[in-house]
Amino acid sequence: AQSVTQPDIHITVSEGASLELRCNYSYGATPYLFWYVQSPGQGLQLLLKYFSGDTLVQGIKGFEAEFKRSQSSFNLRKPSVHWSDAAEYFCAVGAGTGANNLFFGTGTRLTVIP
Amino acid sequence: DAGVIQSPRHEVTEMGQEVTLRCKPISGHNSLFWYRQTMMRGLELLIYFNNNVPIDDSGMPEDRFSAKMPNASFSTLKIQPSEPRDSAVYFCASSPNSGGHTQYFGPGTRLTVL
Repeated sequence: AQSVTQPDIHITVSEGASLELRCNYSYGATPYLFWYVQSPGQGLQLLLKYFSGDTLVQGIKGFEAEFKRSQSSFNLRKPSVHWSDAAEYFCAVGAGTGANNLFFGTGTRLTVIP
Repeated sequence: DAGVIQSPRHEVTEMGQEVTLRCKPISGHNSLFWYRQTMMRGLELLIYFNNNVPIDDSGMPEDRFSAKMPNASFSTLKIQPSEPRDSAVYFCASSPNSGGHTQYFGPGTRLTVL
């Protein structure tokens, strides 16, 4: 069965600093991987996704993520964080075939300090 | 594109009352998902439909919850009778079958049961 672990519940970074949010997944085959962002009071917005091909994927708002099969990871990165990036970030995995539901991690809350 | 539309955005009701949440998916999308988000339990998948047919309702907490999708452009989630522990934000998401599981979320309905 698929599962996703986001080991960091809360991360605080200074504006302008680099960011890395961790995501580990469990799935036997090649997964479909996603990062979503949720601002307070809002729905989830897709940041980026990985299906196949280049393991480094670019997303919106300057985010990128790298799929590492050997580590079962799909960490999200941004070289320079902006105050507007403060939000909750969710990693998700899809089965790739058959059922098209997603399994979400528990989320990482990002706080950005001036 | 209008995105996924949910109504109402906020609902306050008293225990025992019937609550109906509504969702209009993105036109052309084949799959529709209902989620519940709480601080304690995070984001939970309640049920999802493919081509208007319920595929997996294992996440529906109990018989008080029911969901329907009478056509490709409309779905409802009903709680009868409602209880205070049902207070949460309920999200609807839709996905095209050709989209590799990419889900697009609505803004959510914040439900408060007094």
